[in-house]
Amino acid sequence: LAKTTQPISMDSYEGQEVNITCSHNNIATNDYITWYQQFPSQGPRFIIQGYKTKVTNEVASLFIPADRKSSTLSLPRVSLSDTAVYYCLVGVGGNNAGNMLTFGGGTRLMVKP
Amino acid sequence: ETGVTQTPRHLVMGMTNKKSLKCEQHLGHNAMYWYKQSAKKPLELMFVYSLEERVENNSVPSRFSPECPNSSHLFLHLHTLQPEDSALYLCASSQDIRGDTGELFFGEGSRLTVL
Repeated sequence: LAKTTQPISMDSYEGQEVNITCSHNNIATNDYITWYQQFPSQGPRFIIQGYKTKVTNEVASLFIPADRKSSTLSLPRVSLSDTAVYYCLVGVGGNNAGNMLTFGGGTRLMVKP
Repeated sequence: ETGVTQTPRHLVMGMTNKKSLKCEQHLGHNAMYWYKQSAKKPLELMFVYSLEERVENNSVPSRFSPECPNSSHLFLHLHTLQPEDSALYLCASSQDIRGDTGELFFGEGSRLTVL
């Protein structure tokens, strides 16, 4: 199981770019990296997934260095509504449900006006 | 709207009651999951079903009993619960249980309070 380590919390201001880094030193060859966002009393929501290099979608970018031992979620120009908990998941590309679907502690992002 | 619907959204029950949580997905997914989220704790995976067969049970007490009658529906039957079982119970689905097939789709959750 590729354990993940994230900062417990981060503060930012509206309009700033926020980068949240996740460490996964024992990531395996078949593991993918997935990020989720969760608001209070709601289920997590998928943000982005990647395997290597850089992935970008309409809400975020995911940077993965060549050794894949860490990844960085980048949120451009955050707003107050981006205040949430962000989870990094690392899991196998195979039929092992337990490895894929275990969430860590997450990073609580607070965006201030 | 994620395509995963959970009912009820809120449930209060006594320790001797029997109740059930329901989850429904119309996404054509093959895998469904139950998670528990207690206050200020990470999500805990409880059960995983793939093609209606249970493939994961993370040492969950027997007072929680899952049922997956078909690929679209998942139930969590509750009986003789304890106050520490009060939590947000989240249902999720995915195309398959493989990690490279994309995202988990979560429902809004069922907030359970055990008195």
